[in-house]
Amino acid sequence: GDSVTQMEGPVTLSEEAFLTINCTYTATGYPSLFWYVQYPGEGLQLLLKATKADDKGSNKGFEATYRKETTSFHLEKGSVQVSDSAVYFCALTPSSSNTGKLIFGQGTTLQVKP
Amino acid sequence: ETGVTQTPRHLVMGMTNKKSLKCEQHLGHNAMYWYKQSAKKPLELMFVYNFKEQTENNSVPSRFSPECPNSSHLFLHLHTLQPEDSALYLCASSQDWVAGSRDTQYFGPGTRLTVL
Repeated sequence: GDSVTQMEGPVTLSEEAFLTINCTYTATGYPSLFWYVQYPGEGLQLLLKATKADDKGSNKGFEATYRKETTSFHLEKGSVQVSDSAVYFCALTPSSSNTGKLIFGQGTTLQVKP
Repeated sequence: ETGVTQTPRHLVMGMTNKKSLKCEQHLGHNAMYWYKQSAKKPLELMFVYNFKEQTENNSVPSRFSPECPNSSHLFLHLHTLQPEDSALYLCASSQDWVAGSRDTQYFGPGTRLTVL
């Protein structure tokens, strides 16, 4: 079945460091791909998305490119801040889905130190 | 109030209790979802409602009973739960589910459930 795999955390970085969180997926066809972020004590917020191959999603300095050839959707940010500390989830909606279901990776915890 | 709200935010219940979780969305959406977030497992979809009709039940035990009286409200009725049901229960909504629409889902803050 369809699935999402993320790099295991926690990822600990110093402020202004470069961030990469790897995400790969297994799915048929062309799923839609998402990154969600969960700050402590809160629900998930959509960070960015891409719906077709080679699309780049971007928001708040974060970027991810839909790579069909490598089935990847890695999250990057050039300079992280302490306020970026959160749990990041990669997810997909299968192209065959008729219910809008999201399939999530296990989440990656990011800790940014001053 | 805007967005997706959930009540209560925290709930502690015994295995013989009956309780309900409530979700309300103020976004004018027509699709609503229940997810379970456990400490050691990825987020799991439980139920999907589209225009008040249940369109997916992801093999959820019958001790969890959803109810969607209208497009703005979604309930999860709980009875005779087990300690392993302790988790964060998240509600989400999206515009609606039309094949291929891939609408963004908006999440509430969740209800932290502890079953003793």
